[in-house]
Amino acid sequence: GAVVSQHPSWVICKSGTSVKIECRSLDFQATTMFWYRQFPKQSLMLMATSNEGSKATYEQGVEKDKFLINHASLTLSTLTVTSAHPEDSSFYICSARDQALAGGTRRSIQYFGAGTRLSVL
Amino acid sequence: EDQVTQSPEALRLQEGESSSLNCSYTVSGLRGLFWYRQDPGKGPEFLFTLYSAGEEKEKERLKATLTKKESFLHITAPKPEDSATYLCAVVWWAGGTSYGKLTFGQGTILTVHP
Repeated sequence: GAVVSQHPSWVICKSGTSVKIECRSLDFQATTMFWYRQFPKQSLMLMATSNEGSKATYEQGVEKDKFLINHASLTLSTLTVTSAHPEDSSFYICSARDQALAGGTRRSIQYFGAGTRLSVL
Repeated sequence: EDQVTQSPEALRLQEGESSSLNCSYTVSGLRGLFWYRQDPGKGPEFLFTLYSAGEEKEKERLKATLTKKESFLHITAPKPEDSATYLCAVVWWAGGTSYGKLTFGQGTILTVHP
């Protein structure tokens, strides 16, 4: 399967600082990437859809000024948590959508990164 | 209203004891159903995608099936290394604005004891 690299895997920062998380598709190009947040013992919650060369689309309730997303190339999307506070501590996961033609139909599969554990002190 | 529901929430099996996980969905215009495996502290790992009722996919001890209302993930003779959370997700036609977004179920935590 396709490989998605997410970095860093773990970050600790002080309250009020900003943290950047990178998501790279290593062996395919992804016009669309997604950013999720996962709380303990819960499923993934979609935060935003990142489209290469255009503004990200945020889900309802997600602050776009708090979570800045940049998708500058077909293989890289970044999530910046600005002025982080303890309540932003969570597990953040990215995915990249790989699209291919199969039997004349366009099929797409999301491949996920390994996640980033953010702890804000 | 839940669109994707997984059951059971947790499942404990003895090694070699076959069983099935269920994923029921209520969305219309299904464009794809996906199964992922997630280990603690890791991102989900893609297992299968199913697109139409009657479709089946297999990989080692796992077999996924799809009907018009639900999907099953069958685990044959599981091993302790199969212990993980199994996530089901759907992509559906949401009036042209789905953008291929995945809607996840809450997952089934599978524990296989030696």
